[in-house]
Order: sequence, then structure tokens, then C-alpha cells
Amino acid sequence: DIVMTQPPLSLPVSPGEPASISCRSSQSLLHSNGYNYLNWYLQKPGQSPQLLIYLGSNRASGVPDRFSGSGSGTDFTLIISRVEAEDVGIYHCMQVIQTPFTFGQGTKLEIK
Amino acid sequence: QVRLQESGPGLVKPSGTLSLTCAVSGDSINNNNWWTWVRQPPEKGLEWIGEIFPSGRITYNPSLTGRVTISLDKSKNQFSLKLNSVTAADTAVYYCARKPYASNRIDFWGQGTLVTVSS
Repeated sequence: DIVMTQPPLSLPVSPGEPASISCRSSQSLLHSNGYNYLNWYLQKPGQSPQLLIYLGSNRASGVPDRFSGSGSGTDFTLIISRVEAEDVGIYHCMQVIQTPFTFGQGTKLEIK
Repeated sequence: QVRLQESGPGLVKPSGTLSLTCAVSGDSINNNNWWTWVRQPPEKGLEWIGEIFPSGRITYNPSLTGRVTISLDKSKNQFSLKLNSVTAADTAVYYCARKPYASNRIDFWGQGTLVTVSS
């Protein structure tokens, strides 16, 4: 199985400040078609996960442009340019290049 | 708008069978989507359980192979999860979800349902 690692487990950020969330995979997620098979989800408190970024860097429909995804191969980053109060929750990365699909343990974004 | 709604017993006895159903609205179970189950144990990360395609093709997480069955009920536009021989380690919030074919992303999730394994 591909192991996904997301340090740190908790990330306190002040409103208006940028946030960077890391995700690393034990194997490359770069497909031969040039896409990285890495998705990002936000799980707000008491809710189910919602898709933020797919294939490494594509924003899902309705996602604010303050969210962006970057990286390739085994190292990926989700960047929030200016954190807002509504961004609190757990951010999960998920690899979809091979089954079993696997998730990182999640990074909890908290407001300072 | 696509909606998925899980239903089933919230309490299952150890060694028993966990059975959940996901009712789909706003989309047809016959369309080209992978219908997916994911779970989340308390205070832990997400775990992909498996997925089924309308053709009947199924992929399971090998960690659960032998205990898990995913099936479709096209007449009711729903799909189901059965997990046998459950233990406390199977206590989790269970989510059903949709992954459109060739999209490589889960785009809609149910609200989730907590299943506790306890005597």
C-alpha cells in the first residue's frame, strides 16, 4: 500500500495569514499521463469531507481561489493564501493512483 | 444536486455483521460512477473500504478482503456494504461516496453514519 504522511497533525494559524499543509507519499503519484493522482479534502467539524483540489493542482467547483495545490511525485503542498475562520477543520490528502486508495492521517487547521 | 444518505444499525455486536445502505438521489446508480465506501474510526484518519461500478466490477481494500461485500440494488437506486465478523476495531463513521469514472476523485459524500461494535 502507498503510505501517505501529513506532518504536522495540528497547525495553528492567525486569520489573514497564509497556511501551508504538507503531504508526502511513499511512492510516486505521477501518472504517465502527466497528472499527479493526489486529491485534497477538507473535513469541517461535524461534516463529511469536501473536495478542494484534485489531480494535484486543480480547484474543485466552488472552491475559493485562496486555496491552491502544488507538488509532484511524492511531495505535495496545499496552500491557503489568507486563512479565514471558516477554513478550520481537518485537511486530508488522498492518493488515487493505485488501490487500495489511501489517505494521510490529516492535518487539523486551528485559528490562533 | 447529488445526495447520498447512509442508513443502518448504529450498534452491532462483536462477531456480528455490519450492514449499511446508501440511497442515491440526483444521479442514477447505473451511470458511470464508482460507488464507494470510506470509514473513519474515532479520532483517526480515513480508510478506503472499496468501490463498485454499475457493470458489477468491484475492488476491495485487501485489509478487509474476506469480510467485506459491496453490492448494488439498481431497482432502488442504492448500494450496500456488509462487513462480517466485526470487532471493536470496526467502530467508525461510515461514509458512502461517489467517484465519477475516469475522474480520479470522490466528488460527493454522504453525511456519514456512526457504527459502534459493542456487546
